[in-house]
Amino acid sequence: DTGVSQNPRHKITKRGQNVTFRCDPISEHNRLYWYRQTLGQGPEFLTYFQNEAQLEKSRLLSDRFSAERPKGSFSTLEIQRTEQGDSAMYLCASSLGGYTGGKGIGSVRPQHFGDGTRLSIL
Amino acid sequence: KQEVTQIPAALSVPEGENLVLNCSFTDSAIYNLQWFRQDPGKGLTSLLLIQSSQREQTSGRLNASLDKSSGRSTLYIAASQPGDSATYLCAVSRGGANSKLTFGKGITLSVRP
Repeated sequence: DTGVSQNPRHKITKRGQNVTFRCDPISEHNRLYWYRQTLGQGPEFLTYFQNEAQLEKSRLLSDRFSAERPKGSFSTLEIQRTEQGDSAMYLCASSLGGYTGGKGIGSVRPQHFGDGTRLSIL
Repeated sequence: KQEVTQIPAALSVPEGENLVLNCSFTDSAIYNLQWFRQDPGKGLTSLLLIQSSQREQTSGRLNASLDKSSGRSTLYIAASQPGDSATYLCAVSRGGANSKLTFGKGITLSVRP
């Protein structure tokens, strides 16, 4: 278990440029989540993949944002035409879908987070 | 819409003190609750996960409790140490096919030597 890996750790770019972040989840995890965290706030959900399928997108994810998870392995998050308000920490998390056993619905397995990519827009 | 509240935003205690961090949520239809620790500039480390059918979970000096009916959870830290200084966040999941987390803003804990 090498943990969730995110690259780059820091990205500084000028307003209007495009940026792409990468997330490598824990190898056997089929679920992958992207969150955004601004200073003094908790992370906010952006989008979620089960294997290669993107199953939900938050209203926070404007049309300038796109995420992919080809082949159900690593994921990329791209922001086009960056704006000042995009400055934040972008966090990726992964988990196993399913149950820990017994009855119930949904996943009770914890989400494991990477160290994030900090984006600064000049 | 689920809202998660953590008060106070910051807490400072002397080393060795036992302390309780509070978390409240508005929608009791949760499937699980997770407590995380976040060090400055870092990602989140999962501390404890409590399923909605459980009342508490323990790991070492940490004990988390859950009262769904009142929409509250507490994280108890015994014999605090300077190394416990960090931001502690709670998050709830509604479960189902997604299980996305809704977070509070966190409590920044400082343990003074």
